[in-house]
Amino acid sequence: AQSVSQHNHHVILSEAASLELGCNYSYGGTVNLFWYVQYPGQHLQLLLKYFSGDPLVKGIKGFEAEFIKSKFSFNLRKPSVQWSDTAEYFCAVNAQGQGGKLIFGQGTELSVKP
Amino acid sequence: EPEVTQTPSHQVTQMGQEVILRCVPISNHLYFYWYRQILGQKVEFLVSFYNNEISEKSEIFDDQFSVERPDGSNFTLKIRSTKLEDSAMYFCASSYDRTNTEAFFGQGTRLTVV
Repeated sequence: AQSVSQHNHHVILSEAASLELGCNYSYGGTVNLFWYVQYPGQHLQLLLKYFSGDPLVKGIKGFEAEFIKSKFSFNLRKPSVQWSDTAEYFCAVNAQGQGGKLIFGQGTELSVKP
Repeated sequence: EPEVTQTPSHQVTQMGQEVILRCVPISNHLYFYWYRQILGQKVEFLVSFYNNEISEKSEIFDDQFSVERPDGSNFTLKIRSTKLEDSAMYFCASSYDRTNTEAFFGQGTRLTVV
């Protein structure tokens, strides 16, 4: 069965600090990978996605993620966070060829102090 | 920008009552999903729906749950006899395709069973 693990439950950073949120998945086949963000009171929004090709993907708002197949990882990074990045971040996996079902990690709450 | 809308945003119901959660997916999307998130836990897949039938469902989606697309625009989740443990945030999502594409999420309905 597929599973997704996010390493950090709650991360607190000061503005301008660098961010890295860990995500590991467990699945033997080919996967699509996603990071979603949920700002307070809002819906889940896609930050970025990886289907194939360049393992370093760039998303909205300066976020990027790197797919490392050998480590089953898809870590999210941002060089310099802003107060407006305060939100919950979800890593998700979709097994290719097995429908559109997403398997989510447990989420990481990011708090950025101004 | 097209979006998935869910109503109501918050529903309080008595244990044993039936509830219907409503969703209006993006108009040209073909695949529809329900997910739920119990407070403090992961976002969990419930069911996917395509071509007027369930294409996949999780173990959570037992006989108490049903989905319907009654009029070509709404997509509903019915819980026949609610239990306390059904209290959660329920997210609807839709996608144009089921592979290599983004799922768009609604803002969620918070269901509280008392």
